[in-house]
Amino acid sequence: DVKVTQSSRYLVKRTGEKVFLECVQDMDHENMFWYRQDPGLGLRLIYFSYDVKMKEKGDIPEGYSVSREKKERFSLILESASTNQTSMYLCASRDSRLTLNEKLFFGSGTQLSVL
Amino acid sequence: AQSVTQLGSHVSVSEGALVLLRCNYSSSVPPYLFWYVQYPNQGLQLLLKYTSAATLVKGINGFEAEFKKSETSFHLTKPSAHMSDAAEYFCAVSGITGFQKLVFGTGTRLLVSP
Repeated sequence: DVKVTQSSRYLVKRTGEKVFLECVQDMDHENMFWYRQDPGLGLRLIYFSYDVKMKEKGDIPEGYSVSREKKERFSLILESASTNQTSMYLCASRDSRLTLNEKLFFGSGTQLSVL
Repeated sequence: AQSVTQLGSHVSVSEGALVLLRCNYSSSVPPYLFWYVQYPNQGLQLLLKYTSAATLVKGINGFEAEFKKSETSFHLTKPSAHMSDAAEYFCAVSGITGFQKLVFGTGTRLLVSP
């Protein structure tokens, strides 16, 4: 069964801390994505990665960075956490070898609270 | 550029009633359209996907959606709601050529009462 695993379900951090959100997929997918989900705003794309060591900014990249050193792992980094980054963070992956724009597989999310 | 608009942040129905969740899209190129569902404390999962093969698309759990180009709509329906359908539903759009990001709507929470 396909699996996208996010390391923490709930996370509480302090303003100014450096925060790492980890995501691992076991499907050998090339594409990986980080979204944040806020009530009334839906899902907004933060960063995505075509393949290992490749990354592209999404619609709201400010205050975030990413790392993809291995194909299965895509990390989201908050360099200096702020209260407006309190949100649900969703990781997703996609297989681009079959057809373009195949469905996304999502992790169950990390609810981050920045105090 | 693509975007989707979901009308109604909340929709309430009784068990056994028709479910209708509305989605209108905007796209400068022929679109792929998706409906995803998110159950409580879970990530999103694909309900159905339109890729131009047929305008009426059937998905999982008895849901279906019809692509209407003239109305730029892709509304989601189910003839008879079940309590287990209570969830948040997201419409999404992407282009059909090259690598494409998926753009999501703001979501509609479906409430089902006994």
